Order: sequence, then structure tokens, then C-alpha cells
Amino acid sequence: LAKTTQPISMDSYEGQEVNITCSHNNIATNDYITWYQQFPSQGPRFIIQGYKTKVTNEVASLFIPADRKSSTLSLPRVSLSDTAVYYCLVGTDPSGYALNFGKGTSLLVTP
Amino acid sequence: DTAVSQTPKYLVTQMGNDKSIKCEQNLGHDTMYWYKQDSKKFLKIMFSYNNKELIINETVPNRFSPKSPDKAHLNLHINSLELGDSAVYFCASSQGGVVGINGELFFGEGSRLTVL
Repeated sequence: LAKTTQPISMDSYEGQEVNITCSHNNIATNDYITWYQQFPSQGPRFIIQGYKTKVTNEVASLFIPADRKSSTLSLPRVSLSDTAVYYCLVGTDPSGYALNFGKGTSLLVTP
Repeated sequence: DTAVSQTPKYLVTQMGNDKSIKCEQNLGHDTMYWYKQDSKKFLKIMFSYNNKELIINETVPNRFSPKSPDKAHLNLHINSLELGDSAVYFCASSQGGVVGINGELFFGEGSRLTVL
């Protein structure tokens, strides 16, 4: 499993764009980069996944530079309901069946 | 319809008791998991089952015993509960493993276990 490093917490105002960067220097060639979101008292929810360059869906964008040693989750125009913990995950264990989540980034959006 | 459902949502019990948490998924997935989230919010995998077969058993005490009667169910039984078992337990499912582009995990809402 590639080790990931992301900020412990971030604050933002409503309507701003939020970028959360994750470092994963030892990412393996076949590793995907996946981001999950967890609201209080709920299980994590898949947001976006990518391998290289840029991926965009209705929730977020994921930017991955050519060396893939980091990735940035971009949330456009956040609202109060985007307050959550965001986890960056890279790769799995050799079985392909284990994902361990780190501490994640706790995002607080205020008016 | 809830995709991954767990019961009970809250469980308060005394040390030494035995308790079970049930999980069911209606997504047709072939892989199910149990995760534990402690007070520091780390979410760690405990077990993974694929087609009712145990794939992963992390360093979890023997007091924890998962049981998968069929692909749609993965229950967690805990014997002789200890204070340190207090946590939120999440069930999850996926189609196949979590490698690659289709490896999305679907989580239940969690079961908060408090051991007194």
C-alpha cells in the first residue's frame, strides 16, 4: 500500500473552490488514486478515481501530474453540506481486497 | 432501498458479553468487508470475504468471528467484549476486489458499539 500524506484539516467559506492535495511518493505503476468522502455518522462514500491527468465528474475534479506522486481533489464552489472528512487512497494490498484509510482531511465549510 | 444495511445502529453492552452485528447488501456484489473506525477516526479493514470465502483477516483478535452465510450477508460476532472494542464498525461491499477502475466500496451507515 502506498503511503499517503494529506493535510489534517482545512477551512473554507461557502462558494469557494477547495483543493486538497495528497502526496503519494511511492505510488506503484498499477495503482489507482481514489478519494472518498465521509459525513459524520455515515460510512465513507466514493467520490472520484483516476490514474493520470485529469478526471472530472458531477461532484469533483481530480488532477494528477505526470509523475503521479501527488494528486489534488478539487471541489468547486463548496457549500455547508460539503463539510466532511476526505480520504485519499492509493493502491491496495497484494490481494487487491484491502483498502486502509488514513486520517483524511477534515474540511469545514462556513458561511 | 438501502444498498448496504447494518443492524443494530447502536449497541451498548457490558464487558464480557457476546454480541453480533448483521450486514446485508442488495447490490449483487460478491465481496464484503468489515471495517473498524476508532475514536481517532482511523478506518481499518478487519475482514474481507469474496463469494463467502475469507480473503483477508487482519490482525484481529480471535474474539471477532465473521460469518458469511451467503454472498449478500456478512455478520460479525464478537465474544467477551472488552473496553477497547468500543468503536464504529462499518460493513462494505464491492464487485470483485478494490483494485482498478471498478473497485468502488459501498459502505453501510455503521454500527456504534459502546462497551461499558
